[in-house]
Amino acid sequence: NAGVTQTPKFQVLKTGQSMTLQCAQDMNHNSMYWYRQDPGMGLRLIYYSASEGTTDKGEVPNGYNVSRLNKREFSLRLESAAPSQTSVYFCASRKLTGVEGYTFGSGTRLTVV
Amino acid sequence: DQQVKQNSPSLSVQEGRISILNCDYTNSMFDYFLWYKKYPAEGPTFLISISSIKDKNEDGRFTVFLNKSAKHLSLHIVPSQPGDSAVYFCAANRDDKIIFGKGTRLHILP
Repeated sequence: NAGVTQTPKFQVLKTGQSMTLQCAQDMNHNSMYWYRQDPGMGLRLIYYSASEGTTDKGEVPNGYNVSRLNKREFSLRLESAAPSQTSVYFCASRKLTGVEGYTFGSGTRLTVV
Repeated sequence: DQQVKQNSPSLSVQEGRISILNCDYTNSMFDYFLWYKKYPAEGPTFLISISSIKDKNEDGRFTVFLNKSAKHLSLHIVPSQPGDSAVYFCAANRDDKIIFGKGTRLHILP
């Protein structure tokens, strides 16, 4: 099925470890996004990429880096994981213009101990 | 400062009755508004949207109302069904980005 694919689905890290969350979409969408969801906080934007080759900070970028590898792929990297980064991470994509908003992946549940 | 506010963390409604979910916003520059539905262990899915120049949009059992003067929108679900039990996020779009509220958990009671 066409859509947004995130890997891995679950991950446990120790404080200070690094990892990369992968995201790929096959809908030829231009824009891609990384959000985190925390209890009682809704979805908060970490980073986004309006087009291939560009990235911009969102609301909560500290502690993260991103790479827009090509039009399909947008990865999120935690260089030195902290317990405050325990969250569910969602990748999303959208067409250049679209009142449907985003198509989301199914999420990565990350626990930092 | 929250630009999109959902002040009710949860709502319980009898099956077959109307569910009304509310949302307030502060930024008058939003150009359209959206509702997303989320089941546990899944990503949010788009439900319905409304342009800032409209006051109502309907899609089957779902209707969104926009009151620009009050900076308020609401989602009506009629009739409510068991499968509607989920978390609903109100969201608003400006430029390339969508800002989400904290969500309302809807419980449909048998």
